[in-house]
Amino acid sequence: AQKVTQAQTEISVVEKEDVTLDCVYETRDTTYYLFWYKQPPSGELVFLIRRNSFDEQNEISGRYSWNFQKSTSSFNFTITASQVVDSAVYFCALSETGDTGRRALTFGSGTRLQVQP
Amino acid sequence: NAGVTQTPKFQVLKTGQSMTLQCAQDMNHEYMSWYRQDPGMGLRLIHYSVGAGITDQGEVPNGYNVSRSTTEDFPLRLLSAAPSQTSVYFCASRTGARRDTQYFGPGTRLTVL
Repeated sequence: AQKVTQAQTEISVVEKEDVTLDCVYETRDTTYYLFWYKQPPSGELVFLIRRNSFDEQNEISGRYSWNFQKSTSSFNFTITASQVVDSAVYFCALSETGDTGRRALTFGSGTRLQVQP
Repeated sequence: NAGVTQTPKFQVLKTGQSMTLQCAQDMNHEYMSWYRQDPGMGLRLIHYSVGAGITDQGEVPNGYNVSRSTTEDFPLRLLSAAPSQTSVYFCASRTGARRDTQYFGPGTRLTVL
């Protein structure tokens, strides 16, 4: 069975600090996809990034960066110079890739990030 | 494109009442699914569909029914609401490609008294 663990329930930082959100996953699939979603206070789920299991290159997008390490089954997310608008719940998710067609996402329990001004 | 739309945004039901949560997408996606979000538990899959006329159960299907008569619509029915079904419900869609991303609707916040 697949599992995603986000051990940090809540993180509070002051604006301009860097912050890393941890994600550890378990799967028996050799091919899989990992995702990060942001859920701001308004409640919608916003897609941030998708990474496949064959690509271990780090990804940077503006102030956001992601570190995928297959050896430790981790897919961590770093926000550089955090801003108040980054305050949200962040979910890490793992996609099934079996042939059943289910292809559901297994979500972690989320990390609530509070950025104080 | 409107993307994935859900109605209503909020709903309060009494125990035993029935209702249908609506979900529609205009992206011609084959795959649609329903998740529920409960505090501290992330999102859990209720039901999913890989195309019109094909549905199957997810992780927490009890108390919910679905049907998929068209590609665009995937309603979720609560036949006899229970307080344990108080949750936020998200509909999602994606193409059939393995690598594709799921896009979520804005959610429906349901309270069962």
